[in-house]
Amino acid sequence: GQQLNQSPQSMFIQEGEDVSMNCTSSSIFNTWLWYKQDPGEGPVLLIALYKAGELTSNGRLTAQFGITRKDSFLNISASIPSDVGIYFCAGQLPGANSKLTFGKGITLSVRP
Amino acid sequence: EPEVTQTPSHQVTQMGQEVILRCVPISNHLYFYWYRQILGQKVEFLVSFYNNEISEKSEIFDDQFSVERPDGSNFTLKIRSTKLEDSAMYFCASAQAGRTQYFGPGTRLLVL
Repeated sequence: GQQLNQSPQSMFIQEGEDVSMNCTSSSIFNTWLWYKQDPGEGPVLLIALYKAGELTSNGRLTAQFGITRKDSFLNISASIPSDVGIYFCAGQLPGANSKLTFGKGITLSVRP
Repeated sequence: EPEVTQTPSHQVTQMGQEVILRCVPISNHLYFYWYRQILGQKVEFLVSFYNNEISEKSEIFDDQFSVERPDGSNFTLKIRSTKLEDSAMYFCASAQAGRTQYFGPGTRLLVL
């Protein structure tokens, strides 16, 4: 089946720093999504990307859909303590409302 | 802003017992999903549901699992005879046609 690769498993940054996270796959996806999960809660959608090459921003977050359709990155600028959490990428195959395939997530820690 | 809700937030059950997890999707959404997340692991797809029937299911979704939309608002996941390895967070998600999936806060299931 499809697999999404996210590494490293954990990242530690200083408050105010920028951070970039990658997600790669051997499969082509039609849609890439980035979710954030806080402990004990459900994934919250951050950014959705629908076209290869698309670059989308949501406040301090920027994400891009790779032109090969096999990768995506998420940038967080000027990190703040509430950015702490697990960041998952997810891919969606062609087909209306098909399932999401998730990466293993990256746990982000922000030192004040 | 409308959101997906799930009940209960936590459920503890004995191995072999039946459990029913409940979800109220966002009201104008037509596509419904169940995912699960074993502690410390990635979110995994279980089943998708549209027009009162299963659209797709994963290999995890065996004969012990079933889904139902008993009325116009609820969407349920039943596990007939729980096993220890069913312990996980179970997330419900819903979506409009061709749009992104929104997740509920999850039910933490513990099978003893």
